[in-house]
Amino acid sequence: GAVVSQHPSRVICKSGTSVKIECRSLDFQATTMFWYRQFPKKSLMLMATSNEGSKATYEQGVEKDKFLINHASLTLSTLTVTSAHPEDSSFYICSAYMTGFYYNEQFFGPGTRLTVL
Amino acid sequence: GIQVEQSPPDLILQEGANSTLRCNFSDSVNNLQWFHQNPWGQLINLFYIPSGTKQNGRLSATTVATERYSLLYISSSQTTDSGVYFCAVPKAAGNKLTFGGGTRVLVKP
Repeated sequence: GAVVSQHPSRVICKSGTSVKIECRSLDFQATTMFWYRQFPKKSLMLMATSNEGSKATYEQGVEKDKFLINHASLTLSTLTVTSAHPEDSSFYICSAYMTGFYYNEQFFGPGTRLTVL
Repeated sequence: GIQVEQSPPDLILQEGANSTLRCNFSDSVNNLQWFHQNPWGQLINLFYIPSGTKQNGRLSATTVATERYSLLYISSSQTTDSGVYFCAVPKAAGNKLTFGGGTRVLVKP
């Protein structure tokens, strides 16, 4: 299967700082990547769709100025949590879409655990 | 939007037991994926199964698209099968996935 990496895997920061998370598709190109947020013992919640070469689209209720997304190339999308606060603490997961003639399948990164003090 | 419900929410198994997890969805879909989230949070792709039956080792899955459900079978469960199992289907427009609530599985030795 396709491999998606995320960096860092864990970050602890002070309130008010900004944190950048990278998501890379290692062995395929992805024009579309997705960012999810997951609270403890809950399901994944889609935050935004990252599109290479165009602006990201955000789900209802997600602040685009808080969660900046940049899809710089066909293998890299970044999520920046700006002016992070304790309520932004969560597990953030990215995915990349792999498309083919017979399938459209998402592959997920290992996640980034953000703790804001 | 489309609703996805999984059952049961929690499952405790003795090692070696078999089990069936269910995923119901409220609208017709052209894609369904099953994932296993391990204790470290990594989602592992199990099946891409819009319809029909697939098998991979001790796991198999069946999707009956016309009746809007999918089943995941775990046979001869092992402690490494512990974790949360999610099914996900695309939303009405585009490739965005809607996830079910998950089934949390604990396999005891």
